[in-house]
Amino acid sequence: DAGVIQSPRHEVTEMGQEVTLRCKPISGHNSLFWYRQTMMRGLELLIYFNNNVPIDDSGMPEDRFSAKMPNASFSTLKIQPSEPRDSAVYFCASSFSGRGLSRDYEQYFGPGTRLTVT
Amino acid sequence: AQSVSQHNHHVILSEAASLELGCNYSYGGTVNLFWYVQYPGQHLQLLLKYFSGDPLVKGIKGFEAEFIKSKFSFNLRKPSVQWSDTAEYFCAVTGTGFQKLVFGTGTRLLVSP
Repeated sequence: DAGVIQSPRHEVTEMGQEVTLRCKPISGHNSLFWYRQTMMRGLELLIYFNNNVPIDDSGMPEDRFSAKMPNASFSTLKIQPSEPRDSAVYFCASSFSGRGLSRDYEQYFGPGTRLTVT
Repeated sequence: AQSVSQHNHHVILSEAASLELGCNYSYGGTVNLFWYVQYPGQHLQLLLKYFSGDPLVKGIKGFEAEFIKSKFSFNLRKPSVQWSDTAEYFCAVTGTGFQKLVFGTGTRLLVSP
């Protein structure tokens, strides 16, 4: 398997522009997670989906952020409008949960998207 | 609510020194515990995990961790570190039935040659 795929790997945009980050989870996984990592705040869980349904979006900073998972193999995280304080590395991770096996809940991380908003 | 505490934010060691990174969690139920490593400029990778059974878990690259239920701890150890172990280490916990991992704030390890 190719692992979790994220695109783009780097994104530089101007304040006010819309940014869309993409994630393809590992085939067969039923949970998907979006994280943000900054020096100041560390690793933060933004939102996660189980079976394509958003379960917990309490980490989403504000209404400018939205996430969708239209099917089991694709998710997007959108920021509109973007602001300089959104600059961070955004990670997507996937896992399989629900079987009670030791490999459940282990999250596999993608390479991340480094976002710079100027 | 679940939480994870990593008390050492920055650790500096010389090569061949022994390493122990602390991790304490708060959750009253059955837990699954993880240590992830993030090398500079890279994504998080799993080092080891505890699900059940032997509380002493061995992971990749010579790392091990011990689950002590009475202390709510899952400390990471390595008897002799190498320069290539320079990275950030994250402890994480989930409870049975919870899909999400709760991460600690991470410990930055710098190993000097």
